[in-house]
Amino acid sequence: GAVVSQHPSWVICKSGTSVKIECRSLDFQATTMFWYRQFPKQSLMLMATSNEGSKATYEQGVEKDKFLINHASLTLSTLTVTSAHPEDSSFYICSAREGQLVQETQYFGPGTRLLVL
Amino acid sequence: LAKTTQPISMDSYEGQEVNITCSHNNIATNDYITWYQQFPSQGPRFIIQGYKTKVTNEVASLFIPADRKSSTLSLPRVSLSDTAVYYCLVGDGNYGQNFVFGPGTRLSVLP
Repeated sequence: GAVVSQHPSWVICKSGTSVKIECRSLDFQATTMFWYRQFPKQSLMLMATSNEGSKATYEQGVEKDKFLINHASLTLSTLTVTSAHPEDSSFYICSAREGQLVQETQYFGPGTRLLVL
Repeated sequence: LAKTTQPISMDSYEGQEVNITCSHNNIATNDYITWYQQFPSQGPRFIIQGYKTKVTNEVASLFIPADRKSSTLSLPRVSLSDTAVYYCLVGDGNYGQNFVFGPGTRLSVLP
């Protein structure tokens, strides 16, 4: 199957700093990429959907100015958590899909664990 | 978006067949049904996808009745390494829309 990578796999930062997480599709071109957040013992929560070359679509309740998403190429999307606070500590997971049709398989990255002190 | 309902948890023993059923009463005509597996601190892994009847691959089978209001993921002869959370997702069928993850089913395989 297709491979999606994330970097870094874990990060610890001080409150108030910004953190950038990269998501790459290694062997396919991803027209659509997704960012999820998962708290312990909970399910994945979709944060935003991004299509290459256009602005991301954020889910209700997700602050677009705090979680900056860039999908500048067909193989790379980045999520920047700006002015991170302890409540932003979570497991962030990206996924990628070749096309835009919902029946196309989404391939998930391994996740990035963020701890804000 | 079609909402899904799954058992919160299930226990099984090694070597048994496990069937996890998902209800999706308001599934739309264009919706597909997809199952993912997630281990702790990892991203979900695609297991199988179907639209109707039966789909089988090297790891699982997916049974979908004619009314498509439910689906059953069947894992043959589970092992300890199949202990994970299993998510049933139903696409809303609209162009460009995404799946919504429900709480999933926590499967524990015992020796």
